Amino acid sequence: QQQVKQSPQSLIVQKGGISIINCAYENTAFDYFPWYQQFPGKGPALLIAIRPDVSEKKEGRFTISFNKSAKQFSLHIMDSQPGDSATYFCAASTQAGTALIFGKGTTLSVSS
Amino acid sequence: EPEVTQTPSHQVTQMGQEVILRCVPISNHLYFYWYRQILGQKVEFLVSFYNNEISEKSEIFDDQFSVERPDGSNFTLKIRSTKLEDSAMYFCASESTGTANTGELFFGEGSRLTVL
Repeated sequence: QQQVKQSPQSLIVQKGGISIINCAYENTAFDYFPWYQQFPGKGPALLIAIRPDVSEKKEGRFTISFNKSAKQFSLHIMDSQPGDSATYFCAASTQAGTALIFGKGTTLSVSS
Repeated sequence: EPEVTQTPSHQVTQMGQEVILRCVPISNHLYFYWYRQILGQKVEFLVSFYNNEISEKSEIFDDQFSVERPDGSNFTLKIRSTKLEDSAMYFCASESTGTANTGELFFGEGSRLTVL
């Protein structure tokens, strides 16, 4: 019940295309859903996050869509760029100060 | 920009040896974490630390692991007797509970541990 399931494992997108990564969870106590971006040799860095009181959050080219009833959330990257090539992790937690449960990650490659 | 710093960046050790990984969290942060990432796999929670005590730990964080904040700035992870399966990248993270209460973790660049 503590798992966060992420798909796909890898994704190849043409420059300018839309990248979509999906996550699903079971624990209804989760109330914070961040996405982290990780470049090779670096630690994960927060990209965008959402709480379940809204269905969508947009920051620049990055959008989180959240479906509370389906217990699913997704990351959309519009106008994908080669610089977006990285590993993306969804995560969930119940409150600040407790563990973030990460998905298995999606390796995104944006071809130019 | 403030950042979490970790040392060493890479440590190679023999099985059974003790290892200490060090972290300097962002100075005004109150929560501290250790996560690990086995090569190519997901980031796994080990332990969280607040107010000088462990607030939560995972099943991975068994008696071989311990954490300490010895001097108010450093935050260490000790593995008493390393096993081959401890080989991983270990990430330290810190978090400010601040007014925004975003729950944003700031990760260091990691310490790669190789157990031979």
